[in-house]
Amino acid sequence: DTEVTQTPKHLVMGMTNKKSLKCEQHMGHRAMYWYKQKAKKPPELMFVYSYEKLSINESVPSRFSPECPNSSLLNLHLHALQPEDSALYLCASSPLGLSTGEFFGPGTRLTVL
Amino acid sequence: GNSVTQMEGPVTLSEEAFLTINCTYTATGYPSLFWYVQYPGEGLQLLLKATKADDKGSNKGFEATYRKETTSFHLEKGSVQVSDSAVYFCALLIQGAQKLVFGQGTRLTINP
Repeated sequence: DTEVTQTPKHLVMGMTNKKSLKCEQHMGHRAMYWYKQKAKKPPELMFVYSYEKLSINESVPSRFSPECPNSSLLNLHLHALQPEDSALYLCASSPLGLSTGEFFGPGTRLTVL
Repeated sequence: GNSVTQMEGPVTLSEEAFLTINCTYTATGYPSLFWYVQYPGEGLQLLLKATKADDKGSNKGFEATYRKETTSFHLEKGSVQVSDSAVYFCALLIQGAQKLVFGQGTRLTINP
């Protein structure tokens, strides 16, 4: 299995809702990432997990809460989002310590009303 | 600091034309270099990579050579197809770091 899967593909939520994005990989990668991508822009790194521990938080607002339950799964919990948080959320994974590049999932298109 | 600069798009070509998308970088260490492609409505796919100077990455007819002397990693393809229409991102990864540094992306449109 050489892919990263993400669910749901699309999500519409109100500003008072709580929702979660899910990401899964079975490549044995020990680094997993969350990115946010706005239209016509490159992805912006949000969080990095290494060996299931949070290693990088790019000063992301607390309304985004990441979780890594095990080495294959990565979640992003969303609460009290703002309309400007509407974007494509991409998950990625990579082996640690190797310059192989990151493998990206297809993304979740999030719309906050 | 570390940064990547790509040629501004959009780039529009006819089918079978020769493609070059320029990418230059600045880096404090010894980066690995990557090209990613993003088709409409999809995530990013790793297109090719090079991990040291003079390495050539290639995939699907695309090529890029890591040029340390000019700090460049230009993407080329000899004959583009309509299916190559996408956004292309150049990126670098510093050895030991955990984060990719992306260029701004270049939107490519190929007309039949």
